Amino acid sequence: GQQLNQSPQSMFIQEGEDVSMNCTSSSIFNTWLWYKQDPGEGPVLLIALYKAGELTSNGRLTAQFGITRKDSFLNISASIPSDVGIYFCAGQHNTGKLIFGQGTTLQVKP
Amino acid sequence: ETGVTQSPTHLIKTRGQQVTLRCSSQSGHNTVSWYQQALGQGPQFIFQYYREEENGRGNFPPRFSGLQFPNYSSELNVNALELDDSALYLCASSLSGVNTQYFGPGTRLTVL
Repeated sequence: GQQLNQSPQSMFIQEGEDVSMNCTSSSIFNTWLWYKQDPGEGPVLLIALYKAGELTSNGRLTAQFGITRKDSFLNISASIPSDVGIYFCAGQHNTGKLIFGQGTTLQVKP
Repeated sequence: ETGVTQSPTHLIKTRGQQVTLRCSSQSGHNTVSWYQQALGQGPQFIFQYYREEENGRGNFPPRFSGLQFPNYSSELNVNALELDDSALYLCASSLSGVNTQYFGPGTRLTVL
């Protein structure tokens, strides 16, 4: 099935470091979303972006909807051990269908 | 406010059997979408139900079917199970088809 290009695939960082991950697509989306998934759980919504160029923060998380509507990034500042998990980007068509990236696995060393 | 719930949590079936998975949407949400997530992959869209009608379908064969009930809860049915159907099945609800989707915890299906 169709997937977005999400990078990096995995990251292993020291506690306190900043993290950046991004997603690109060949298609235009109306909405970009970022989810976090813990093992055996469903994805939990972190940030939703609705307009090209939009920059939105949620605590230590910041995400942007690219101007071309074909990309998005997520930054996490001052990482902590509970940030560990798999982060997924998702683009939403006007049909409501979500297309997901392959995920970025984040590990944080205390 | 109650979030999205799914049942059962885990299920083991054998090839050729049929399975029904259930989802209760978040309070006030009238749209349910189903996704299949294979190990190590992102979720793949199966289909969406809005006001009891199928409202979009991904690249899945007809043996994947669904229902939505008047209270907006939903079922996913899979017939003639295959080994590759082993996955985490996720349900997401939203206020309408194009609004932000909130996911349930998923049902882990293993086909032997």
